[in-house]
Amino acid sequence: DTGVSQNPRHKITKRGQNVTFRCDPISEHNRLYWYRQTLGQGPEFLTYFQNEAQLEKSRLLSDRFSAERPKGSFSTLEIQRTEQGDSAMYLCASSLTPKRGMNTEAFFGQGTRLTVV
Amino acid sequence: TQLLEQSPQFLSIQEGENLTVYCNSSSVFSSLQWYRQEPGEGPVLLVTVVTGGEVKKLKRLTFQFGDARKDSSLHITAAQPGDTGLYLCAGDRSQGNLIFGKGTKLSVKP
Repeated sequence: DTGVSQNPRHKITKRGQNVTFRCDPISEHNRLYWYRQTLGQGPEFLTYFQNEAQLEKSRLLSDRFSAERPKGSFSTLEIQRTEQGDSAMYLCASSLTPKRGMNTEAFFGQGTRLTVV
Repeated sequence: TQLLEQSPQFLSIQEGENLTVYCNSSSVFSSLQWYRQEPGEGPVLLVTVVTGGEVKKLKRLTFQFGDARKDSSLHITAAQPGDTGLYLCAGDRSQGNLIFGKGTKLSVKP
């Protein structure tokens, strides 16, 4: 296993189009996270999954955004009717489930850079 | 809202100099992680600190977690051009998802 993999690396789309990104986590990791990062900012949490269950969604995740992890392995993030403000780096991370009293370490993919023109 | 404040935001130094980056919050975290990110890439985990007062060393990098687990620092000794990048601290809210600071952009000139 070579780590978290994200596809595509880059995506340019016209405003109003739908886009879908894929994330393949580290194989034994049951937690999967999506973050968004804009220029000059740190990553902002969007949502996360425990296996196939989506456990938390940020207020940043508008109705145009939907994430799935149907079999508890890879995940997809879809943005419908893209807007220029959606332009950002979309990062995926995975980790083991944190256990009581123990920290968990998240490992990130290389990200998908979305540009909406 | 838990916020992580990083300082300085930008740092430009000459090769061989020492530097310290700070990460502060009013909230307590179960752990704190430091990442380094290069342009166009995802963050790469450097270290996780868990215990208040903990100090970890990674070659020329020294990480410290505050006694109250609200703040952390990263000290780099004899910086090299290869240390150039965006340094991010991230606090674990104990559910596993991380809150990130805005980062410190470090440039080390030869």
